[in-house]
Amino acid sequence: SSELTQDPAVSVALGQTVRITCQGDSLRSYYASWYQQKPGQAPVLVIYGKNNRPSGIPDRFSGSSSGNTASLTITGAQAEDEADYYCNSRDSSGNPWVFGGGTKLTVL
Amino acid sequence: QVQLQESGPGLVKPSQTLSLTCTVSGGSISSGSYYWSWIRQPAGKGLEWIGRIYTSGSTNYNPSLKSRVTISVDTSKNQFSLKLSSVTAADTAVYYCARDNSGYDLRSTYYYYYMDVWGKGTTVTVSS
Repeated sequence: SSELTQDPAVSVALGQTVRITCQGDSLRSYYASWYQQKPGQAPVLVIYGKNNRPSGIPDRFSGSSSGNTASLTITGAQAEDEADYYCNSRDSSGNPWVFGGGTKLTVL
Repeated sequence: QVQLQESGPGLVKPSQTLSLTCTVSGGSISSGSYYWSWIRQPAGKGLEWIGRIYTSGSTNYNPSLKSRVTISVDTSKNQFSLKLSSVTAADTAVYYCARDNSGYDLRSTYYYYYMDVWGKGTTVTVSS
């Protein structure tokens, strides 16, 4: 079982805003990072740190954190944003990495 | 721009050892303060971190796999490798290598960690 909890599935209407959340005790001390994975492809980093986007990631992707919850927000979701999204961070035992179970985003 | 490429057998027999290599191109594996990780993903399931290595040879492993995992680095070849022993069908997955990066936010005093470069992945099937 994952120490980072994500909703298994979320849907959003085209052009609307969606928030994907990640909960875990370790998030009180560490920021989460977020990855987008499309079918048959490797994960791609979309958000890291407080709210940093790697080069090439659209500015409709943003991140935030409060207490034990990290959030990935897509403002004005596009059809190409339909994908699985994973968060990761340190785990509460101090091990380097733990992943959330992933959220499947459907754009309607 | 750093790129990663996994390589190794696509089929491994049960009870044998799975061996994969990740080749780093576009930069030296020894430059910067990076760890280098292995992650796997069974078909239709989520991502699982396996372990990581620093170029000094220092390693960290997922506790659930620690007894079967060895990660090593060959800086002369710009590669790091994964060995997973006593494999079963449950080890069938796509295996990825990735670069671990880190930073520090002065205002919040939070550290943050992220995997900023990933290989394309290689599928390993455990079957007789």
